[in-house]
Amino acid sequence: QVQMVQSGAEVKRPGASVKVSCKTSGYNFPTYDINWVRQAPGQGLEWVGWLNPRNGNTGYTQKFQGRVTMTRDTSTTTAYMELASLTSDDTAIYYCARDATDNAFDIWGQGTMVTVSS
Amino acid sequence: DVQVTQSPSSLSASVGDRVTITCRASQTISRYLNWYQQQPGKVPRLLIYAASTLHSGVPSRFSGSGSGTEFTLTISVLQPEDFATYYCQQTYSSPGTFGQGTKVEI
Repeated sequence: QVQMVQSGAEVKRPGASVKVSCKTSGYNFPTYDINWVRQAPGQGLEWVGWLNPRNGNTGYTQKFQGRVTMTRDTSTTTAYMELASLTSDDTAIYYCARDATDNAFDIWGQGTMVTVSS
Repeated sequence: DVQVTQSPSSLSASVGDRVTITCRASQTISRYLNWYQQQPGKVPRLLIYAASTLHSGVPSRFSGSGSGTEFTLTISVLQPEDFATYYCQQTYSSPGTFGQGTKVEI
């Protein structure tokens, strides 16, 4: 069974960083890019960026350039997204999602709620 | 960046209705357009990719069409479980962008 299981909810202070994990199973980890998408409360979906698990290459939406870092651990088939310099605008559910083909996301993690509050 | 605009933002419908949602791109994107469904409190679910290809396991009452700048998602016979928010996503250029969503309400 193909699964993506994310780490638990986080509460952070403004200016801090958060690192969210996405543990995958049930498929060949290097084969599919992993994307990160976020959703602020009551809002729509926003693409953060992507990671190629085979070679570690990444691509980030310009809005997050310089603040986001996506990495992976092939030994544990886990992807990570770290977001720095948090503000209240970063309060959102963060999802990892597998890119099935041409950026169509067929498998999603359950989401990780990140709350930024002083 | 390529922008995608959905219409309407929300609609009211009844079980059994035929529902059509439109997504317009700010420039031509060929057929690089996907559709997702998100039920309240749940994770988004891929319905259609490459404008018209039904994802595995998705009921055939869902269909997609279009190319270039105008695309549609059609639900032929609305079921109770179809009341949700629908998003289009363009993947022609980076960053890929989502539409603002269309909420289908009873």
